[in-house]
Amino acid sequence: AQSVTQLDSQVPVFEEAPVELRCNYSSSVSVYLFWYVQYPNQGLQLLLKYLSGSTLVESINGFEAEFNKSQTSFHLRKPSVHISDTAEYFCAVSRMDSSYKLIFGSGTRLLVRP
Amino acid sequence: DGGITQSPKYLFRKEGQNVTLSCEQNLNHDAMYWYRQDPGQGLRLIYYSQIVNDFQKGDIAEGYSVSREKKESFPLTVTSAQKNPTAFYLCASTPGQGVSYGYTFGSGTRLTVV
Repeated sequence: AQSVTQLDSQVPVFEEAPVELRCNYSSSVSVYLFWYVQYPNQGLQLLLKYLSGSTLVESINGFEAEFNKSQTSFHLRKPSVHISDTAEYFCAVSRMDSSYKLIFGSGTRLLVRP
Repeated sequence: DGGITQSPKYLFRKEGQNVTLSCEQNLNHDAMYWYRQDPGQGLRLIYYSQIVNDFQKGDIAEGYSVSREKKESFPLTVTSAQKNPTAFYLCASTPGQGVSYGYTFGSGTRLTVV
């Protein structure tokens, strides 16, 4: 079975500082990896995903994540955060051979302070 | 614009009542999902359906029921057998090719037992 661990339940950071949200996964088979963002009282929005190819993937709003197979990690980074990045971020994994279900981590709340 | 509509946004249920949460999509997606979100626990899969008239239990199906009579609709009934139904419920969908395309989420229904 697959599982996802997001060790940090909350990450406070000052505006314009860099941030890293950690995600580790466990799986015996190859997986797809995703990051989703959730603003208060809303659904989740896809931020970025890793399917294959380059291990570094980027989103349109400056976030990036790197797939590290040896460390089974998919950490999310941004070099300079804005107040508007305050949200909850979820890492998720899906098996490549049965790709209808996503398994989500418990989420990390990013709190950007002025 | 295409998307997923969940209604109502807020729902209050008395002890012993069944309630039904609506989920409608106009994305022509084949697969639909129901997730439950509790603080600090991430998202947990309740039920999913890959095609019309077929659905499978997720990790926490007890106390819930679903139907998939139309491609566009996947209602969730929270029955009186669900002992702790207060939560945020999210509906999602994916194209027939699976989750590698990413889930599209609705904006959620917040259910409170009074």
